[in-house]
Amino acid sequence: DAGITQSPRYKITETGRQVTLMCHQTWSHSYMFWYRQDLGHGLRLIYYSAAADITDKGEVPDGYVVSRSKTENFPLTLESATRSQTSVYFCASSPSYEQYFGPGTRLTVT
Amino acid sequence: GENVEQHPSTLSVQEGDSAVIKCTYSDSASNYFPWYKQELGKRPQLIIDIRSNVGEKKDQRIAVTLNKTAKHFSLHITETQPEDSAVYFCADMEGGGNKLTFGTGTQLKVEL
Repeated sequence: DAGITQSPRYKITETGRQVTLMCHQTWSHSYMFWYRQDLGHGLRLIYYSAAADITDKGEVPDGYVVSRSKTENFPLTLESATRSQTSVYFCASSPSYEQYFGPGTRLTVT
Repeated sequence: GENVEQHPSTLSVQEGDSAVIKCTYSDSASNYFPWYKQELGKRPQLIIDIRSNVGEKKDQRIAVTLNKTAKHFSLHITETQPEDSAVYFCADMEGGGNKLTFGTGTQLKVEL
C-alpha cells in the first residue's frame, strides 16, 4: 500500500480558492483514477487516465481539472472550490483490472 | 458499467454466522466484478474479484458468485468475525474500458 500516496491528507479551504490534490504511485501502473466518496453515493469517478498525457472524464467531472505529464503522478485541481466539493477524495492506480487505492484526502470547503 | 445496485444497505449478523451481499448490474458487456472492504476512516481494499468467464471464486472464508444470465453477483462471508465489520462495496467494469462503477455499499456489523 505504500506504493500509492496522496497529499495533503487533510485540507480546509475557502469557497472560490483553487486547490490541488496530489497523487503519486511507485508501481508504474498505466491507469490512474480519481474518485470522490460521499455518504449515500459510494465512490464516484471524477477523472481517469490510461497513460501519461491521456485523460478522460468520469461520472462527475464538472469543476475539476486533471493532468498527467508523468506516469507516476496524477494531480487533481479544483479550479474554484465550492461547498458541494467537500468530500473525501481517493486516488487509485491499476495495471489492468485491479485498482489499488491511496489513503485519501479529506477536503472541507468553507 | 452503467448502474450497479447493492443490497442490503446494512447487515447485522452474529459472530460465526454467514453474511451475503448481493449486487445487480445493467451493462451486459461488464466483464470484471471486484469487491472492496472499507474500514472506518481507511481506504477501500480489494478483497476478492471475479471475471466474467468464471462462475465462482473462493478465498478462505470469502467467496464470490456470478450469474451472468441474471446479471447479478454476490459476496459470501462464512464464519464471520468481529474484524469483518466494515463497509463492503461491489463494482463492475464495463467491457472494453477500465472504469469501475461502484454500488452504494453495505455496512456489515458482526456482533459478539
